[in-house]
Amino acid sequence: EAQVTQNPRYLITVTGKKLTVTCSQNMNHEYMSWYRQDPGLGLRQIYYSMNVEVTDKGDVPEGYKVSRKEKRNFPLILESPSPNQTSLYFCASRTSGAPYNEQFFGPGTRLTVL
Amino acid sequence: AQTVTQSQPEMSVQEAETVTLSCTYDTSESDYYLFWYKQPPSRQMILVIRQEAYKQQNATENRFSVNFQKAAKSFSLKISDSQLGDAAMYFCAYPSGAGSYQLTFGKGTKLSVIP
Repeated sequence: EAQVTQNPRYLITVTGKKLTVTCSQNMNHEYMSWYRQDPGLGLRQIYYSMNVEVTDKGDVPEGYKVSRKEKRNFPLILESPSPNQTSLYFCASRTSGAPYNEQFFGPGTRLTVL
Repeated sequence: AQTVTQSQPEMSVQEAETVTLSCTYDTSESDYYLFWYKQPPSRQMILVIRQEAYKQQNATENRFSVNFQKAAKSFSLKISDSQLGDAAMYFCAYPSGAGSYQLTFGKGTKLSVIP
């Protein structure tokens, strides 16, 4: 089944404790992206990657890191999480080239930073 | 900055009736694409419909259709014969930035369906 997976689905952590949210897709997509969703703000893009070893900042990159060493994986790293990073996070992927192409979203990761 | 505006934070519709969700956007591009995504309580993001700006004809997918007015930069979603399963958050979005690698979303409209 074609899908985007994220782990963990739920995470409660404390301020300053480094964490990684994994994202993997099995559709051989070149493009991958991370979003955060907050009430009243919709989804905002954190980082995106056009292909392996190629990443760029989205609208809200502060406090986050990403890496793209393999085509299928695009982990999101919070090196020193803070309470304002409490949010719902989505990973997405699509084929490159045509922005018309649908983005496929993962199921979301609910992160709480105490 | 390119923006997407959904002016209706919440809406409700009677089952089997029709409802229209509004979306306006701001872009300097002449060719672009627009999307409506649905997010049910399961939180999964589901593509509902998409529109290519250079196409005059409004997109239609079963009970979902759009009213695309390019000059007015308006992209509304019409849901006909509303069903209980249509209750969800709806987000308007379009690819933006260099190479259209960014996807800019509106803040969403929460749709309730009344039995």
